[in-house]
Amino acid sequence: QVQLVQSGAEVKKPGASVKLSCKAAGYTFNSYSMHWVRQAPGQGLEWMAIFNPSGVSTSYAQKFQGRVTMTRDTSTSTVYMELSSLRSEDTAVYYCARHNHMDVWGQGTTVTVSS
Amino acid sequence: QAVVTQEPSLTVSPGGTVTLTCGSSTGAVTSGHYPYWFQQMPGQAPRTLIFDTTDKHSWTPARFSGSLLGGKAALTLSGAQPEDEAYYYCLLSYTGARPVFGGGTKLTVL
Repeated sequence: QVQLVQSGAEVKKPGASVKLSCKAAGYTFNSYSMHWVRQAPGQGLEWMAIFNPSGVSTSYAQKFQGRVTMTRDTSTSTVYMELSSLRSEDTAVYYCARHNHMDVWGQGTTVTVSS
Repeated sequence: QAVVTQEPSLTVSPGGTVTLTCGSSTGAVTSGHYPYWFQQMPGQAPRTLIFDTTDKHSWTPARFSGSLLGGKAALTLSGAQPEDEAYYYCLLSYTGARPVFGGGTKLTVL
């Protein structure tokens, strides 16, 4: 069964970094890029980045360039997204989604940024 | 960055038809924007209904269809069901493969 399983909720202080994971199962990990999308409380969806695990290339939305780092561990079929210099506006649910017409989504990870 | 616009809210009667639209601040939406449509229920992850303007996933109910209409991408729901009440988001791709979501439409079936 194709699925994406994301890491658990995080609570961080302003200025800190957070590293989220998205573990793929049921398909060849390197065959598909991965989108990251976030949703602030009560707000709409926001596209953040797309990561190609085979070529290790990434494309970011302009507002996240310089603050987002994407990596992967092929041995565990896991993609990681690290967001640095956190501020309260980064409080959101973060989703990963497979780049096969975005057919599979993770369950989401809640990140809370609060002092 | 381009701004993608959607109706904030729409209401449809059960069994009725409604069209949601998705416009771009850069001009007419074309197939080259590869429009996507997503459905999101409260507290759940989004689900992709339509991709590449008109294509459906295997789970997309037949009552949903995608098109281009008057310079916008459109999602038409024909024969609305109570379970279709949800938020709907469109996504457009732009040069450099940096997609942009619309603000979402809250669809009420009433």
